[in-house]
Amino acid sequence: AQSVAQPEDQVNVAEGNPLTVKCTYSVSGNPYLFWYVQYPNRGLQFLLKYITGDNLVKGSYGFEAEFNKSQTSFHLKKPSALVSDSALYFCAVRVPGDDKIIFGKGTRLHILP
Amino acid sequence: EAQVTQNPRYLITVTGKKLTVTCSQNMNHEYMSWYRQDPGLGLRQIYYSMNVEVTDKGDVPEGYKVSRKEKRNFPLILESPSPNQTSLYFCASSLVPNQPQHFGDGTRLSIL
Repeated sequence: AQSVAQPEDQVNVAEGNPLTVKCTYSVSGNPYLFWYVQYPNRGLQFLLKYITGDNLVKGSYGFEAEFNKSQTSFHLKKPSALVSDSALYFCAVRVPGDDKIIFGKGTRLHILP
Repeated sequence: EAQVTQNPRYLITVTGKKLTVTCSQNMNHEYMSWYRQDPGLGLRQIYYSMNVEVTDKGDVPEGYKVSRKEKRNFPLILESPSPNQTSLYFCASSLVPNQPQHFGDGTRLSIL
């Protein structure tokens, strides 16, 4: 079955340290991958996407993600975390050959001052 | 301003009373979608639409209906709501499914 996994419910990082939020996927074919962020009482906001090309994708607010086909992963990263990065992060995949979008369960990121 | 507008933002109602949550986008997007967000389950796609008069089931369509009579509007209909449909609902749109989606601010439904 097609799926997206975010193995960590919560990630805690000290301000100024690098952060990683993990995402792995299981789809047949070449996936289209996305990261979104959700702040309290708001809808999701797009951060970055991978369609084809360079495995390192740069997005909004200094975030980047690395596509690893052999490990079927698309981890979100940032070199230096800010307190304002604290939010709920979702990984999503568009299923190849289909029009469905599958989301992970989300990872809550806490940046500690 | 490009936006996806959902109404109402909050609704408390009772089991069995039909309700409609409206969704409208002003970006001329082809692809529209409804999701529900539940703690520990993330976002799950209810229905999606590739274009006018074209709708398809997502992963959790039971108990819901949608229609797409105009490109800009994609209402979600609960004909006979039940308590297990209490959730936070999001409408989203994009030009095509490969492109990033724009999300509305959500509708919190409580079915008593």
